[in-house]
Amino acid sequence: EAQVTQNPRYLITVTGKKLTVTCSQNMNHEYMSWYRQDPGLGLRQIYYSMNVEVTDKGDVPEGYKVSRKEKRNFPLILESPSPNQTSLYFCASSEYGTYTEAFFGQGTRLTVV
Amino acid sequence: AQSVTQLDSQVPVFEEAPVELRCNYSSSVSVYLFWYVQYPNQGLQLLLKYLSGSTLVKGINGFEAEFNKSQTSFHLRKPSVHISDTAEYFCAVSALGQGSTLGRLYFGRGTQLTVWP
Repeated sequence: EAQVTQNPRYLITVTGKKLTVTCSQNMNHEYMSWYRQDPGLGLRQIYYSMNVEVTDKGDVPEGYKVSRKEKRNFPLILESPSPNQTSLYFCASSEYGTYTEAFFGQGTRLTVV
Repeated sequence: AQSVTQLDSQVPVFEEAPVELRCNYSSSVSVYLFWYVQYPNQGLQLLLKYLSGSTLVKGINGFEAEFNKSQTSFHLRKPSVHISDTAEYFCAVSALGQGSTLGRLYFGRGTQLTVWP
C-alpha cells in the first residue's frame, strides 16, 4: 500500500530538548516536504527536498532542520524547540513535478512546554 | 509568487443540501489547482485536480470543481451533502515553473464544512 509514515503521532516535549520527527515514503517519490498546520493559517511549508541531498527552505524554516540522505526518508529536526513550534506537522511526498498528487502522512501533533 | 484565498472559514449546511466552497488564487504564471480534504485526526487526501483541458473536473465522493481563468477561481461544489462530508477542505495551487517553484503547493487557510442532520 502506498503510504507516507510519520512518527511519532503525538509528542510532548520541553523547551530546548532536541527532537526528530521521522517521515518515510514507499512510493519512490523524488519530492518530499514538511508542512505545519495552525488554526486559521492553513498549511505552511517548512522545508522541501527535490531529491537526495537536495533540500531548500519553504516559507517558515526558522527553527527547523532537515536532511535527505536516502530517497525514502526525510526527517524533520528541531534542535531547540520553543513553544511557538507547538503545531500539527505533516510530511508529504510526490513524484517530481507540479502536476501529480501529493500524498500526506497522518500528522504529528507536537506540544512544546 | 502564488497565493490562495478561501473566502469562507466555516460553512454549515444541512444534510442533502447543495454546497459551494469558494477558492480564488493569484499567480503571475499558469497554475495547476487542487482541492484536498482533511477528515478529523487524519492527513490530507486529494479530492480533485485541474491540470488542463475541461474546466469542469470531477473528483471523489461526488465533488466537482470549475476552473474559471478570467475570475481566477476554482470553486468546489456538491449537489447533495452527507454528514460524512463534514471535514476541512483546502484549496491549493502549484505554479508551472522551474527550479525552486517546481513541486511547491501553496494552500489556502481552509474551509470547515459542517453538515447537520
